[in-house]
Amino acid sequence: DSGVTQTPKHLITATGQRVTLRCSPRSGDLSVYWYQQSLDQGLQFLIQYYNGEERAKGNILERFSAQQFPDLHSELNLSSLELGDSALYFCASSHPPPLLAGGGLVGELFFGEGSRLTVL
Amino acid sequence: GQQLNQSPQSMFIQEGEDVSMNCTSSSIFNTWLWYKQEPGEGPVLLIALYKAGELTSNGRLTAQFGITRKDSFLNISASIPSDVGIYFCAGLGGSQGNLIFGKGTKLSVKP
Repeated sequence: DSGVTQTPKHLITATGQRVTLRCSPRSGDLSVYWYQQSLDQGLQFLIQYYNGEERAKGNILERFSAQQFPDLHSELNLSSLELGDSALYFCASSHPPPLLAGGGLVGELFFGEGSRLTVL
Repeated sequence: GQQLNQSPQSMFIQEGEDVSMNCTSSSIFNTWLWYKQEPGEGPVLLIALYKAGELTSNGRLTAQFGITRKDSFLNISASIPSDVGIYFCAGLGGSQGNLIFGKGTKLSVKP
């Protein structure tokens, strides 16, 4: 158990719909990251938040958005869903932001079990 | 953007055999990480490498940070059935400071 909680574990919806995925980071972790994993693909970085503020953006579509709340949990909103959005969405957390931390924890992300989204 | 080339894509080996996989990039990374993902779970960190040339072991796993900072390899010795999973390399570096993942090596171990 990584300590990162994601809900829901599975979600089936139709094209054009909107869904929200939720992530609770490990206790004390300030950074939250969202990754997308499609079939036979690696983990594609979407977006990172640190202590409530957007820190970095990856290959995130304009139809997708995210936020991190004062209690540090994060939500990933996916709208106008398309068939190709079907994937596993992972949330990960870490304590320090990678660029500012020194020593052994730099880059160490703890992943949740993922939310499997199926768009029909 | 930065990309990692991970090979092989998949491996089918006999229990007891040693395994080797690697990651290369055209870009320099400051940190290399190796993760393992089992079915239905998120990736779990196996080994982290922070210095060029560093060789680190974790049980039967050994990983090295290439001296050029553009590559890393992971070896698994005397494989066992529970080694089955997808192994991802990840590099940290560049202006964004985010982890870039390889596409993974899927390992199957035959008892």
